Amino acid sequence: QPQLVQSGGEVKKPGASVKVSCKASGYVFNKFGISWIRQAPGQGLEWMAWISVYTGNTSYAQKFQGRVTLARDESTTSVYMELKNLTSDDTAVYYCARDVNWFDSWGQGTLVTVSS
Amino acid sequence: QSALSQPASVSGSPGQSITISCTGGSSNFGTYDLVSWYQHHPGSAPKILIREVRKRPSGISPRFSGSRSANAAFLTISGLQTDDEADYYCCSYEGQNIYVFGSGTKVNVL
Repeated sequence: QPQLVQSGGEVKKPGASVKVSCKASGYVFNKFGISWIRQAPGQGLEWMAWISVYTGNTSYAQKFQGRVTLARDESTTSVYMELKNLTSDDTAVYYCARDVNWFDSWGQGTLVTVSS
Repeated sequence: QSALSQPASVSGSPGQSITISCTGGSSNFGTYDLVSWYQHHPGSAPKILIREVRKRPSGISPRFSGSRSANAAFLTISGLQTDDEADYYCCSYEGQNIYVFGSGTKVNVL
């Protein structure tokens, strides 16, 4: 059974960066991509970005272009999402999800709070 | 990449059927049969209900069904149960490994 386990919650100041990790297990890591999806308080789900674990290729939603970077580490079966230049609007729960052209397994979510 | 449109809320009584719509431009639904639906209970991770417009992943109740018309997708929940009270989201693949979610629908079981 695929499992994704994310790093713990973070509190950051405006202008800072945050890096969230997502460790995969229970399947062949480089056979599937990983997408990142977030939910701000009172808002809906928002797709942010995708990485091919096999090639390292990435795609980003227009809204996050230039501010988000994805990376993967096959030795630790982990994917990392870094979001830069944080504002209060980035306060949200961030999820990683296994991407098979839909999202069939999700991490537990990581709360990122941006506050001065 | 604007969000797909869903009704903010849909209500039904236990045992009834409800349908949630998900509408977008032809670029969302015209090329790919890659519309999926997710159930999200607050505080938990979202859970996939439907993939590829109408296919149910293993373990998903047949009470959940998906369909599509020209520029809309639909999720129908039959035999509504109290545990179905949650938020529901459609999601469409847009090509080039880009996705867009619907605005979300809160299902209330009266």
